[in-house]
Amino acid sequence: KAGVTQTPRYLIKTRGQQVTLSCSPISGHRSVSWYQQTPGQGLQFLFEYFSETQRNKGNFPGRFSGRQFSNSRSEMNVSTLELGDSALYLCASSTGLTPDTQYFGPGTRLTVL
Amino acid sequence: QQPVQSPQAVILREGEDAVINCSSSKALYSVHWYRQKHGEAPVFLMILLKGGEQKGHEKISASFNEKKQQSSLYLTASQLSYSGTYFCGTGGNDYKLSFGAGTTVTVRA
Repeated sequence: KAGVTQTPRYLIKTRGQQVTLSCSPISGHRSVSWYQQTPGQGLQFLFEYFSETQRNKGNFPGRFSGRQFSNSRSEMNVSTLELGDSALYLCASSTGLTPDTQYFGPGTRLTVL
Repeated sequence: QQPVQSPQAVILREGEDAVINCSSSKALYSVHWYRQKHGEAPVFLMILLKGGEQKGHEKISASFNEKKQQSSLYLTASQLSYSGTYFCGTGGNDYKLSFGAGTTVTVRA
């Protein structure tokens, strides 16, 4: 079974721009969760999508948004980038049943200059 | 709410043991443990469900005390490959995992 894939792996943007990150879950998984990881902060939950619906949301500003398509692939968008948005963005897929194992993708390293 | 992990970091020699603790202020339904090596994605180790279940993965085991809302990860006879940052993720019944800040484990020869 193929694992979770994320594209692109690296991105460099400047302040004020917007960015879209993509995540393809493991085949058969209907849930995709997004996390922001910065040094010393661990994994901060952004949001979770299940069957095209946002089921949970973390405490991030509205500049962070996402969506999920009918094939379970998910995208995350960050508008009006700030320097503090520089981070590793990880997505994780699972069946969507609780409790369930989440399998992480390799992440997208975003650098905002 | 983010669970609290302790210690923040631990240095071991090969063959030594260590315990990593994870505690939450809210009622837990499940605890998930992951290990992340530098530059890589977190890798799933094990999941524990409420009920005081204990699980093992090679020489790594964990326990879950739902009354105390705590979980502990036990690294036994550590190997060099155990180096990395260990995260606990705590789950309620809301399909969301909250992760701790991580515990960095360094195993030296």
